[in-house]
Amino acid sequence: QVQLQESGPSLVKPSETLSLICSVSGGSISSDYWSWIRQPAGKGLEWIGRIYSSGSTSYNPSLKGRVNMSLDTSKNQFSLKVTSVTAADTAVYYCTRDPNRGEPPDYWGQGTLVTVSS
Amino acid sequence: DIQMTQSPSSLSASVGDRVTITCRASQDIRNHLGWYQQKPGKAPKRLIYAASSLQSGVPSRFSGSGSGTEFTLTISSLQPEDFATYYCLQHNSYPLTFGGGTKVEIK
Repeated sequence: QVQLQESGPSLVKPSETLSLICSVSGGSISSDYWSWIRQPAGKGLEWIGRIYSSGSTSYNPSLKGRVNMSLDTSKNQFSLKVTSVTAADTAVYYCTRDPNRGEPPDYWGQGTLVTVSS
Repeated sequence: DIQMTQSPSSLSASVGDRVTITCRASQDIRNHLGWYQQKPGKAPKRLIYAASSLQSGVPSRFSGSGSGTEFTLTISSLQPEDFATYYCLQHNSYPLTFGGGTKVEIK
């Protein structure tokens, strides 16, 4: 059973960088895809991007080049950075596993609320 | 981007009712569609993948159908624990995109 756990600051100031880590247990990040998805309060889900076990990435153009994802295979973690944040980036952020056999996300973290405010 | 139009946005139904939710894709996504259930304060849970494959452990009253641009999620007999918000997700091409959600409420 794969388990994912998001961690990082819950409060970020406008114009600064949001940084989150997803710790994976019960499986290796050396296989499969790993995504970040967010959800503003009371709204729908938005896919932020995905990183493959090789390190290749795909990002949602809606975030206008502000996103970077990376892997740390030694810690079995992957990370998300969103630069130049505004209040519009306030959301619950989820990390997910996307099986390498061409399926949508199956395992999700519990989510972490990040608020952008001064 | 592929737009996923989900309908209805909300519905009221009674226990035992048959419920159908629809997602329309703005272009052909083959069968690269998943359905998710989300309860308040919780992460989404995958119900269906590949448009019609039931996720292990999910009750058989849930079913999915469709391919190309039209997809449906059906709950054959609504149970109290099924009151939640449901989302479709296309993963045929980047960026992955979700439908707007359907909130299923108690009548």
